[in-house]
Amino acid sequence: EVQLVESGGGLIQPGGSLRLSCAASGFTVSSDYMTWVRQAPGKGLEWVSVINTVGGTYYADSVKGRFTISRDTSKNMLYLQMNSLRAEDTAVYYCARESPRGVVGTNCWGQGTLVTVSS
Amino acid sequence: DIQMTQSPSTLSASVGDRVTITCRASQSVTTELAWYQQKPGKAPNLLIYQASNLASGVPSRFSGSGSGTEFTLTISSLQPDDFATYYCHQYSTYRGFGQGTRLEIK
Repeated sequence: EVQLVESGGGLIQPGGSLRLSCAASGFTVSSDYMTWVRQAPGKGLEWVSVINTVGGTYYADSVKGRFTISRDTSKNMLYLQMNSLRAEDTAVYYCARESPRGVVGTNCWGQGTLVTVSS
Repeated sequence: DIQMTQSPSTLSASVGDRVTITCRASQSVTTELAWYQQKPGKAPNLLIYQASNLASGVPSRFSGSGSGTEFTLTISSLQPDDFATYYCHQYSTYRGFGQGTRLEIK
């Protein structure tokens, strides 16, 4: 059974750093595209970043240069390193498995982890 | 970046109604477009992928059409469980969501 469990969210001051983790089970993180999507309180979905099967990474303009997506195949984990955090980064962050590419099906989302950037 | 624009932003309808939501892309995404339904506090749920393919387990009252820059999601006969927010999502160039359409009970 595919399962994704995020962790690492919390309250952080502006300018700070945080690393989100996503533990995957039931499949190998390197076998599919893996993506991060966020949702600010009361707002819509925003795509953040994706890593492809050969390790290529892509970012939304709003986080480029500040966020880094990575994976650890040995631990079957996905990560999102977030630096220089801003108030507008406050959101629930979801990790997701794309299978096929670009498509996130049932049970391929994590439960989400809340990041709050505030002083 | 490709901009995705949904209309309307809010839609009021009744059980049994046929409703259509439109999604326009700022440049062609061919058919690399999906539709998701989201309820408060939950992760999105896939409805349609590749513009017109019904995802597994999704009721047949949902359908999608379009290609290039214009797409539609149609619900043929609204059921009480369908009142939620709907998002289109392109995966042709990077990724990107529309701003969402809130479907509310009239």
